[in-house]
Amino acid sequence: SQTIHQWPATLVQPVGSPLSLECTVEGTSNPNLYWYRQAAGRGLQLLFYSVGIGQISSEVPQNLSASRPQDRQFILSSKKLLLSDSGFYLCAWSPDSSNQPQHFGDGTRLSIL
Amino acid sequence: AQTVTQSQPEMSVQEAETVTLSCTYDTSESNYYLFWYKQPPSRQMILVIRQEAYKQQNATENRFSVNFQKAAKSFSLKISDSQLGDTAMYFCAFMKHGDDMRFGAGTRLTVKP
Repeated sequence: SQTIHQWPATLVQPVGSPLSLECTVEGTSNPNLYWYRQAAGRGLQLLFYSVGIGQISSEVPQNLSASRPQDRQFILSSKKLLLSDSGFYLCAWSPDSSNQPQHFGDGTRLSIL
Repeated sequence: AQTVTQSQPEMSVQEAETVTLSCTYDTSESNYYLFWYKQPPSRQMILVIRQEAYKQQNATENRFSVNFQKAAKSFSLKISDSQLGDTAMYFCAFMKHGDDMRFGAGTRLTVKP
């Protein structure tokens, strides 16, 4: 069966520090991968999605970036975090046939001090 | 662009009663998919129910059912015999074929004993 792992579960970082959140999927190949952010009291906002290795599409311009170095690995990064980057980050995947719902990781709660 | 609107930020219901969560969406597409996701306090995202737009019959999953009104672009979720474990944020989501999922802002449901 397919599983998705996302870590860390919680993270507290100072303003201006770098960020790296990692997400891996097991039990499937060539998944579509997604990073979402859920700000307090708001819905989910799609940040990045990827349909293959090295293929990244950005939905919202900001100081975050994403990379997909391997088929089932998706990394969310930042060189310098802002206070506004605080929130709950969710990684998700779907089969490469896009008419299937996405499956989510457990999320990372990021607090910027 | 497709938008998803959940007009009820918060709702409450007594245990064992029925509650309906509203969702409307805007699209010019005729072929698409609709979903309801549940996010309990653990923050995990759980797929509750899905509906294909080409199907006229409303989807049901145990105590969860939807009222899909395609012409009105409405997709409400009915929870029957509410249980304490149903307390969560509920997100309505839209996805057209070959595109990404778009989420509403969510409705916080509290089931009271």
